[in-house]
Amino acid sequence: QVQLEQSGAEVKKPGASVRVSCKASGYIFSNFGFTWVRQGPGQGLEWIGWISVYNGNANYAPKFKDRVVMTTDKSSDTAYMELWSLTSDDTAVYFCARDKVYSSSHPDYWGQGTLVTVSS
Amino acid sequence: DIRMTQSPSSLSASVGDRVTITCQAGQDISHFLNWYQQKPGKAPQLLIYDASNLEDGVPSRFSGYGSGTHFTLIISGLQPEDIGTYYCQQFGLLPCTFGQGTKLEI
Repeated sequence: QVQLEQSGAEVKKPGASVRVSCKASGYIFSNFGFTWVRQGPGQGLEWIGWISVYNGNANYAPKFKDRVVMTTDKSSDTAYMELWSLTSDDTAVYFCARDKVYSSSHPDYWGQGTLVTVSS
Repeated sequence: DIRMTQSPSSLSASVGDRVTITCQAGQDISHFLNWYQQKPGKAPQLLIYDASNLEDGVPSRFSGYGSGTHFTLIISGLQPEDIGTYYCQQFGLLPCTFGQGTKLEI
C-alpha cells in the first residue's frame, strides 16, 4: 500500500534552515511527483510547491520561491523540502503528498505532517 | 494569485441532513478544482477532483458540481464521521490556492 513517512518535528531559530523528508513506499517512485503544503497553527492550508520525480521540474509559490528548494532522491525513494531564512511565520505543520508526475493536481496520498517550530 | 472564497465558514447540521458548501473562484478556473476533508491533527484527504469526480474510496454521499467560478460540495445524508474542515483548492493557475475552509459540526 502507498505510504509516505515524514521526518520528525524540528525546532529552529530565526534565520536558520530546515529540511523535511518524505519517504515513499508501495508504488513506483518515478511515476509521480510531490506537492508540499503547510498549515500554520489554527490556520488553513497553504500550497508551497510541487516537484516531478521523473524530470526534476519544480514549481514554487512566488511567496516561497526565493528561499525554498524541493528535491527527490530516486535511490532512496525520498522527497525533500528545504526552507531557509526562517521566521516565526514559518511555524507550521508541513505536509508532503504524492501527486501527478506532470502537475500539482491530484494529491491522493499524504504524509502525516512535520511540525516545524521557529523560535528564539 | 486566485482568491478562493468558501461559504459558510462554519455550519452545524444533523445526521442525515443534506449539506452544501460553496466555493467561489476569483477568476475562471474551468474544472480545475479539488475538495478536501481534514480532521483535527490529520492530513487533508482528497474527496473530489476535477470539480466533480469522486476519489477512490470516498463514500458516494459526497458529490461535487460546478465549473468556471462557482463550485459546490454536497454531502447527501450527513454521517457522524463527516465532521471536520472542508477546503476547496484551485489548480488551474499557479500558484495553487485554497479556500479558507468550512468547519462542519454535527
